[in-house]
Formats: sequence, structure tokens, C-alpha cells
Amino acid sequence: KAGVTQTPRYLIKTRGQQVTLSCSPISGHRSVSWYQQTPGQGLQFLFEYFSETQRNKGNFPGRFSGRQFSNSRSEMNVSTLELGDSALYLCASSLRGSTSPLHFGNGTRLTVT
Amino acid sequence: GENVEQHPSTLSVQEGDSAVIKCTYSDSASNYFPWYKQELGKGPQLIIDIRSNVGEKKDQRIAVTLNKTAKHFSLHITETQPEDSAVYFCAARGEGAQKLVFGQGTRLTINP
Repeated sequence: KAGVTQTPRYLIKTRGQQVTLSCSPISGHRSVSWYQQTPGQGLQFLFEYFSETQRNKGNFPGRFSGRQFSNSRSEMNVSTLELGDSALYLCASSLRGSTSPLHFGNGTRLTVT
Repeated sequence: GENVEQHPSTLSVQEGDSAVIKCTYSDSASNYFPWYKQELGKGPQLIIDIRSNVGEKKDQRIAVTLNKTAKHFSLHITETQPEDSAVYFCAARGEGAQKLVFGQGTRLTINP
């Protein structure tokens, strides 16, 4: 069974631009979560989607948004990029969400210059 | 909200010895505790998890113990091998919660 796939693996953007990251969950998984990983803050929860609905959101500004499609694939968008948005963005999928183990992809490394 | 603290931040052991990483959590309602291993350039990989109705779980060389009263849980790796070198994260999740709260990670180095 294929794992969680994230594209692209690497991105370089400049301040003020916007970016869209993509995530394909494990087949059959309906819940997709996004996490930001930085050396200083560690792994921080961004949001979680289940059946195209956002169920929970972390403490991030409104510049961070996401969506989930009917095939469970998910995208997250960051607008008006800031230098501090440089991070590894991880997508994770699970069968049902809160009662199922979370499986992570290898992430998208975003660098903002 | 939930807060998870993980110790130590770095750990170096001789190949063949055991390694222990400890985590404490703050929310007594948390009921699911996974451990992840992250290698360079990869995402976290789930290696073992435990639910609050179980005190210990073992999978080959890896075991996790949970003390609900003290609100702490630990990862034990026996007979360590060079391929065990990685960063390990503990996490906690409350009942009905959609998010995992992670510890800050432990960089484990196995010395040959």
C-alpha cells in the first residue's frame, strides 16, 4: 500500500508570495492533518480535515488555510509568506481521525527568502 | 491545553545497550500515546503506540510503558543497533481530539 505522498518535496519562495502544498493520503484514509515542523517550535498542529470538512484548527494566523477534496486529497495554502514560515510541512493521514493512528508523509521543505 | 515534555533531548548509547526516553503529559484526559522515529530527510514514522487502558506494550526490541497516575510514559529500546540512530518523538492525544501534541524530540545516537 502506498504511503502518504506530498508534493513538491522542496520549494523556495520570496516574502509576500503565496504557496500551495499538496498531499495524497493512504488509500482508504479519510482524515488528513497538517503539521509544521521547525527546529525552534518542533511539531505544531495546523489543521485537520475529514470528509472535506475542517474539524480542528491550530493556533496559526489566517494566512494558513487548507481544503480537502472528495477523493480525500488535501492542499494547504500559505498567503503573504513571511521569513518565519520557512519550515518542513508534514501531512498525515488516518483512517478515521481521532481514534486511528496517524501516518506521516516525508514533507515539503519550504524556504522563504 | 495539553503539554508534553520529553527528556533527554540527546542520548548517546553503545551499540547493544538499552535506551530509554521519557515523556510527561499534563492533560489527564489524554488516552492515546504514540511514538515516532524520524530519520534525516524523512517524515516521522510511527513505531509503537499505547492507549490508556494498557500499561505496557512490546514489539520486538521496542516497548512502551504508561503510568496514568503519574502522567508519564516511556520508550524502551533494547539491544540497540546503528540503524536505531534517529530523532524520536513522543505525543499525546485526548479522547475525541483530532490533534497530536508532540514532545520536543530526542536525538538518539548509537555508537558502534
